[in-house]
Amino acid sequence: AQTVTQSQPEMSVQEAETVTLSCTYDTSENNYYLFWYKQPPSRQMILVIRQEAYKQQNATENRFSVNFQKAAKSFSLKISDSQLGDTAMYFCAFMKQYAGGTSYGKLTFGQGTILTVHP
Amino acid sequence: DAGVTQSPTHLIKTRGQQVTLRCSPKSGHDTVSWYQQALGQGPQFIFQYYEEEERQRGNFPDRFSGHQFPNYSSELNVNALLLGDSALYLCASSMGHGQNEQYFGPGTRLTVT
Repeated sequence: AQTVTQSQPEMSVQEAETVTLSCTYDTSENNYYLFWYKQPPSRQMILVIRQEAYKQQNATENRFSVNFQKAAKSFSLKISDSQLGDTAMYFCAFMKQYAGGTSYGKLTFGQGTILTVHP
Repeated sequence: DAGVTQSPTHLIKTRGQQVTLRCSPKSGHDTVSWYQQALGQGPQFIFQYYEEEERQRGNFPDRFSGHQFPNYSSELNVNALLLGDSALYLCASSMGHGQNEQYFGPGTRLTVT
């Protein structure tokens, strides 16, 4: 079974600054996907960024980037130029990749990190 | 393009009762997954439906059951409700093959008293 650990229950950052959220995971699988999801106070979960384990290059999406260290089983999220709208609960999630590239889509989530961006 | 919708938004039930939650997937999606999110915790996978069948299941008792209809919408049923079933229930939709991004609905907040 896979486990995902987020060791930072809460983080805060000043607007326009950079913050990094940590995530580690445990798995015996070699092929998988990793995700960061954002859940604002309005509750709807939104995908921020995803990483395929077979790709060495770290994923980036505008102000969001990851540091994926497969050997260390570490997957951190860096948010640059933080904005007030980034205030939310952030979840790291793992999904096993089944043979043929078809994933049956069971997401395993961490406990979450509450990020507060201060003006 | 409508996203994932869920109904109702909030629900209050008494211990021992039964509840049905509903989900309509994003247009073009054929797979529906259900998650339970306790307050302050990460979501826990309940099960996933594809082609009207349960394709994968998490560690939830048989009191939790589901259904998927020909139009890909889905229901989650919980029987013999316990206080511990109080949670936010999230529905997520995706494409059945080769697509891994799941789009989440706003959730149904279930309170069991």
